[in-house]
Amino acid sequence: TQLLEQSPQFLSIQEGENLTVYCNSSSVFSSLQWYRQEPGEGPVLLVTVVTGGEVKKLKRLTFQFGDARKDSSLHITAAQPGDTGLYLCAGGWGNTPLVFGKGTRLSVIA
Amino acid sequence: DSGVTQTPKHLITATGQRVTLRCSPRSGDLSVYWYQQSLDQGLQFLIQYYNGEERAKGNILERFSAQQFPDLHSELNLSSLELGDSALYFCASSVEPGLARQYFGPGTRLTVT
Repeated sequence: TQLLEQSPQFLSIQEGENLTVYCNSSSVFSSLQWYRQEPGEGPVLLVTVVTGGEVKKLKRLTFQFGDARKDSSLHITAAQPGDTGLYLCAGGWGNTPLVFGKGTRLSVIA
Repeated sequence: DSGVTQTPKHLITATGQRVTLRCSPRSGDLSVYWYQQSLDQGLQFLIQYYNGEERAKGNILERFSAQQFPDLHSELNLSSLELGDSALYFCASSVEPGLARQYFGPGTRLTVT
């Protein structure tokens, strides 16, 4: 059973466009993390959100945790080719291991 | 560079064989995690160790085993390999278990032929 559903699976956009990717679950999480993974490398943590309704910004990336702590979104403004990669969300409860979604594979074309 | 090292980077072997993947965590990190990543299943948690002791188990097959040594490096042993075991295997480390930030290594790409 996939506890975290990410959508869309694939996204190809032109440089300068905005985009939003989603991470949804029927479960409540203590916290939710977003990672970016580039080809040939391991995932790298972008942000952790812990409070329902929380919004965090990282340059052109805006992360939001749903009020019920079951879902999250990642919005990228004015996408650049360097944003290309696999975006993974991961949910956690206390000391239990993280559960990862299958990811959104983003391609930004110059 | 996350500070987590994994060897080898690539491994090609035949069905039925046994391989060992090695991971050295970041300096100071006591917890080590192993993940398997395939195109259809995404990133799947296999097993976690903390300071030499098994802490949590995920979707790890009985043919797979792992351990963490006193110097905190970890090894993942995969035996009786099948074609379906072909995947990327990642090691991650963190200072403590739970929701602490995990740092991922570059992975080992295993191809079973």
